[in-house]
Amino acid sequence: EDKVVQSPLSLVVHEGDTVTLNCSYEVTNFRSLLWYKQEKKAPTFLFMLTSSGIEKKSGRLSSILDKKELFSILNITATQTGDSAVYLCAGIYGGSQGNLIFGKGTKLSVKP
Amino acid sequence: GAVVSQHPSRVICKSGTSVKIECRSLDFQATTMFWYRQFPKQSLMLMATSNEGSKATYEQGVEKDKFLINHASLTLSTLTVTSAHPEDSSFYICSAREPGQGTYEQYFGPGTRLTVT
Repeated sequence: EDKVVQSPLSLVVHEGDTVTLNCSYEVTNFRSLLWYKQEKKAPTFLFMLTSSGIEKKSGRLSSILDKKELFSILNITATQTGDSAVYLCAGIYGGSQGNLIFGKGTKLSVKP
Repeated sequence: GAVVSQHPSRVICKSGTSVKIECRSLDFQATTMFWYRQFPKQSLMLMATSNEGSKATYEQGVEKDKFLINHASLTLSTLTVTSAHPEDSSFYICSAREPGQGTYEQYFGPGTRLTVT
């Protein structure tokens, strides 16, 4: 059965800390892995990772995929209170539909 | 980035009635739209994949007669929850994918909170 597992499920840090969120996957016909940030409503797209070992960066956020070990990490440096959210990772599987299977998310709380 | 809207954002209905939720891609044509539901503190669960001009593909365990999906145009997909019951209360989110080979990024709508009383 396909699955995406995220850890930790929740995390509380203080502003300025660096955090690493983990995502492991077992997805048949895996294509890519996506990271999303979900605040109060719909998820917003962060990264799509298709190739192993290539880091993607956007400001203080970065992510990398290891297709051999079947996991990905999302790093956030110098965290801010605005980073507080649920971070979801999802594996893309299957044919041309590009269906996603989501993990349960990591709830990050950044304290001032 | 591409924008997806949903309407309504919040709806309360009585048990036994039907509710229609609209999902629109505002600045692109979406040949494929996806419908998810999310329970509190749970992740998004794919319900069905909606393809313009053809029948939706439902995930295992999702009742197609209860959750009617119509993708009548390249910018609109609708989800109708028929004969709603309290257990159908959930957050329903749609997403849309821009056509293009190798493009798997999905853009999410803001979601619809359904409460069935």
